[in-house]
Amino acid sequence: GQQLNQSPQSMFIQEGEDVSMNCTSSSIFNTWLWYKQDPGEGPVLLIALYKAGELTSNGRLTAQFGITRKDSFLNISASIPSDVGIYFCAGDKAAGNKLTFGGGTRVLVKP
Amino acid sequence: NAGVTQTPKFQVLKTGQSMTLQCAQDMNHNSMYWYRQDPGMGLRLIYYSASEGTTDKGEVPNGYNVSRLNKREFSLRLESAAPSQTSVYFCALSLATTSYEQYFGPGTRLTVT
Repeated sequence: GQQLNQSPQSMFIQEGEDVSMNCTSSSIFNTWLWYKQDPGEGPVLLIALYKAGELTSNGRLTAQFGITRKDSFLNISASIPSDVGIYFCAGDKAAGNKLTFGGGTRVLVKP
Repeated sequence: NAGVTQTPKFQVLKTGQSMTLQCAQDMNHNSMYWYRQDPGMGLRLIYYSASEGTTDKGEVPNGYNVSRLNKREFSLRLESAAPSQTSVYFCALSLATTSYEQYFGPGTRLTVT
C-alpha cells in the first residue's frame, strides 16, 4: 500500500501567497522527488533531493529533504494561477530504482 | 513529456477484451516503467525494465504483461481486461538504474466496461 502521506490533500491559493505542502513516511527514503501534474498530462519533475538536510530551489519552488530522511516539504512562493495542479512527492528506498509516490496535493485557485 | 510517446491516448474496452499499450522513447534512456494512476492513489508501479530484454514486477502486476524487445519500446498488455483496470496508464523513463529521476509520457486513459 501507499507509504508516503501527503498533506494537505488539497489547498486553495490566492495569487501572491506563499504555500507549503509536505510528505511524510514511517520509513527512511534515500531520495525525494517532487512532481507537478497538470490536467490530462503526465507528471513533470520539479526538484530532486539526494541528501538529508538538502535544500534545493527551482525558481519559486523550494524543497527540503528532512534530516530524519522520513519527510520532505515543498514551498511555492508568490503563487500564480499556473501553479494550479496536483503535486506529488516520490521517494526511493534503495530497492533498485523504483519510486513510491504519495497520493498528491491538489492546488486550486481561491474563488 | 518530450521524448516519450504513448499510444493510444484513449481506449474503451469491453470486459474480457485484450489490448496492448505502447510506449516509445527517443531519449536513449535505459530504464522504462509502467504506472497506473487512480483517483487519490498517486501512481502505482505495474512493471519496469532496467534494460533491454529484462523486466520485473512492480507493486500491482496482476492482470498485466510487458515486453521490452528493444531499448526504445516498452509495451504493456492486458490479456483479459477487467473493470478494475479502468485507469490512466503512464510510461516513464530514467537514464540508468542508478538514476531516480523519472520522466513521464502523456498517458493513456483506459475505460473497461
